[in-house]
Amino acid sequence: DVKVTQSSRYLVKRTGEKVFLECVQDMDHENMFWYRQDPGLGLRLIYFSYDVKMKEKGDIPEGYSVSREKKERFSLILESASTNQTSMYLCASRRGGANYGYTFGSGTRLTVV
Amino acid sequence: TQLLEQSPQFLSIQEGENLTVYCNSSSVFSSLQWYRQEPGEGPVLLVTVVTGGEVKKLKRLTFQFGDARKDSSLHITAAQTGDTGLYLCAGAGRLVFGQGTRLTINP
Repeated sequence: DVKVTQSSRYLVKRTGEKVFLECVQDMDHENMFWYRQDPGLGLRLIYFSYDVKMKEKGDIPEGYSVSREKKERFSLILESASTNQTSMYLCASRRGGANYGYTFGSGTRLTVV
Repeated sequence: TQLLEQSPQFLSIQEGENLTVYCNSSSVFSSLQWYRQEPGEGPVLLVTVVTGGEVKKLKRLTFQFGDARKDSSLHITAAQTGDTGLYLCAGAGRLVFGQGTRLTINP
């Protein structure tokens, strides 16, 4: 069964900490994405990557960075966590081509206190 | 600005009833996708519609893509409690999701 695996289901971090969210996919997909999901706002795209070492800003990149050193791994970094970054973070991968569907991980619920 | 508007945002009905949820945009999409998300999990792809006017059926679920490829609908016949979840539409190309329809089917 194909999978997108996010390293943590739940995280609690302090304001100002540097936070790493890890995502690994085993489907050899070219494209990987990070979304955050908040009630009433739906899924909002933070960053995405079409290939190794490539990254593109999504709709809400401020306060975040990403790293894709290997095809299967896409990391989201919160440089200095703030309370307004408390959210559900979802990683997804997709084959190349806009009409293919996303495969999502189970999400990481991050709380910044 | 939300490029994809879903309606209704919340829907609670009795088991056995029929329902339709909508996904609308002013933009044209090469395809639209529908996902269902259960609590504590990521969204799971249900279907992709590609051709304007296309209708796809998945058991009791019927998906339609508008002729102009700007809107889509999901119709559920004889809803079951297992249909409960958050239904999301997503537009290809712009990597954008609607805000979702939270569906509750009551026994």
